[in-house]
Amino acid sequence: GAVVSQHPSWVICKSGTSVKIECRSLDFQATTMFWYRQFPKQSLMLMATSNEGSKATYEQGVEKDKFLINHASLTLSTLTVTSAHPEDSSFYICSATKGGNTIYFGEGSWLTVV
Amino acid sequence: SQELEQSPQSLIVQEGKNLTINCTSSKTLYGLYWYKQKYGEGLIFLMMLQKGGEEKSHEKITAKLDEKKQQSSLHITASQPSHAGIYLCGAAIQGAQKLVFGQGTRLTINP
Repeated sequence: GAVVSQHPSWVICKSGTSVKIECRSLDFQATTMFWYRQFPKQSLMLMATSNEGSKATYEQGVEKDKFLINHASLTLSTLTVTSAHPEDSSFYICSATKGGNTIYFGEGSWLTVV
Repeated sequence: SQELEQSPQSLIVQEGKNLTINCTSSKTLYGLYWYKQKYGEGLIFLMMLQKGGEEKSHEKITAKLDEKKQQSSLHITASQPSHAGIYLCGAAIQGAQKLVFGQGTRLTINP
């Protein structure tokens, strides 16, 4: 079964509004989670590292004020796309490590901004 | 920064045939991950390789990491329609749990 879960799987929002995506680790605690973005027919690009209880670490070129990350508990990280625009439409996916070297990914979330 | 190059980018094979996908890194690999993805869905973990010369197998899929730890190959034996999808290799950045990915290989299996 799923080890990392994301919600929602699909979301459509109006341009200018904000939308939140959740990433949960199931039956384990994750002090660190990672957020990726995938454009159509392209590979995954790391956006940021979500750290429980502290600020997220963003990759170069990713706007931290645009993509707000909150890791409020050991099992939940949220990505909020603020003032969304059509160019933010993408597939967003998170990952977490249960322990050891295996990195698990969520099912992903499709965001469409209209 | 580390870059991964996958080849081929697209592959079409007849069911039952063997195939190989390659992943080449610009730097030494400290952890190489193979995932399978159906486009627009989550990633399914296949295997993780760390040691030079390491080889792992799961069902009909075998992955190897070369001795120099800069290239990995994924080999599928007697391919089946269920093997179709996008195969991604990912390298652990600075030994951490975040990954940089190759551009993916889109595999199609013809019956």
